[in-house]
Amino acid sequence: SQTIHQWPATLVQPVGSPLSLECTVEGTSNPNLYWYRQAAGRGLQLLFYSVGIGQISSEVPQNLSASRPQDRQFILSSKKLLLSDSGFYLCAWSVRQGPQHFGDGTRLSIL
Amino acid sequence: AQSVTQLGSHVSVSEGALVLLRCNYSSSVPPYLFWYVQYPNQGLQLLLKYTSAATLVKGINGFEAEFKKSETSFHLTKPSAHMSDAAEYFCAVTRGGGGSEKLVFGKGTKLTVNP
Repeated sequence: SQTIHQWPATLVQPVGSPLSLECTVEGTSNPNLYWYRQAAGRGLQLLFYSVGIGQISSEVPQNLSASRPQDRQFILSSKKLLLSDSGFYLCAWSVRQGPQHFGDGTRLSIL
Repeated sequence: AQSVTQLGSHVSVSEGALVLLRCNYSSSVPPYLFWYVQYPNQGLQLLLKYTSAATLVKGINGFEAEFKKSETSFHLTKPSAHMSDAAEYFCAVTRGGGGSEKLVFGKGTKLTVNP
């Protein structure tokens, strides 16, 4: 069966520090991968999605970037975090038109 | 472009009462529709999906939803609420039959179940 792993579960970082969140999927090949952010009291905002290795689409201009170095690995990064980067970050995977399956999320707090 | 509107950001029901969470969608092509549930500090869990087969879709935890094309609706129901149903629920839409791989989510409805 397929599983998705996201880590860390919580992270507290100072403003201006770098960020790296990792997401890996097991049990499937060539999945579509997604990064979402969920700010307090708001819905889900799609940040990036990828349909293959090295293929990244950015949905909104921002302080973040994403990379897909391997088929089932998706990384969310920032060189310098802003206060506005705080939120709950969710990784998800899907195959073709199937539903998206979500990881447990990373709670990011910027101080 | 596709969009989803969830009527009511907060819904409160008594334990044992009917749960009805409303979702209306806009899509220029036949849609695929999904309902997800999110418990505090967790990711989203798929409840059910509509992918152009039966219009009445049954999901996990006793939930079901009915696709009504004429009303562009996909409301989520459960006959009898349980305390464990308290969570946030998201409706989502994507293009059916190929094309965009992305989901468009509604803003969510937070369900409270009172004892």
